[in-house]
Amino acid sequence: AQSVTQPDIHITVSEGASLELRCNYSYGATPYLFWYVQSPGQGLQLLLKYFSGDTLVQGIKGFEAEFKRSQSSFNLRKPSVHWSDAAEYFCAVGRSQGNLIFGKGTKLSVKP
Amino acid sequence: NAGVTQTPKFRILKIGQSMTLQCAQDMNHNYMYWYRQDPGMGLKLIYYSVGAGITDKGEVPNGYNVSRSTTEDFPLRLELAAPSQTSVYFCASSYMASGSPGELFFGEGSRLTVL
Repeated sequence: AQSVTQPDIHITVSEGASLELRCNYSYGATPYLFWYVQSPGQGLQLLLKYFSGDTLVQGIKGFEAEFKRSQSSFNLRKPSVHWSDAAEYFCAVGRSQGNLIFGKGTKLSVKP
Repeated sequence: NAGVTQTPKFRILKIGQSMTLQCAQDMNHNYMYWYRQDPGMGLKLIYYSVGAGITDKGEVPNGYNVSRSTTEDFPLRLELAAPSQTSVYFCASSYMASGSPGELFFGEGSRLTVL
């Protein structure tokens, strides 16, 4: 069965430090992978997506993610975190029926 | 540029009451979805629709119904509300072509409490 695992429930980083959020997926075919961000009380906003091609994907707000088929991973990275990046981040895999399967999310806190 | 619009944003229901969450999109997307979000559980798919007149169950459909009479609208009906339906509900839409899932665009959510 398709699934997405985000091993870290909550991560705290200092402002200016680098960030990596982990995501592992289980999907039989070529995966369509997404990262979304949710600020408190808001809907979800797409950060980036991977469909095919270059395995390093650039997104908005300075985020990037790398698809590693051998590790079934799609980790999200940012070189220098800003206080405004504090939010919850969701990894998702797209199914052929069109809907997405989401991980349980990683909450990011940023220390000043 | 409205995108996906959900109403109401907040609602409190008593056990056994019924209500409809409204969702409309103005992007001419063919696919629409209803998810519920519970703390620490991510988003679970309730129902989805691939076009007007066509709907299908998702992962957690029990206690809900949907209809899709137009491309733009996808209301979610809660019959006989139960405390287990206390959640935040998100409507989303996407354009799906050639079997490739597209980006989902989300509404701002509807927070429902059942007491």
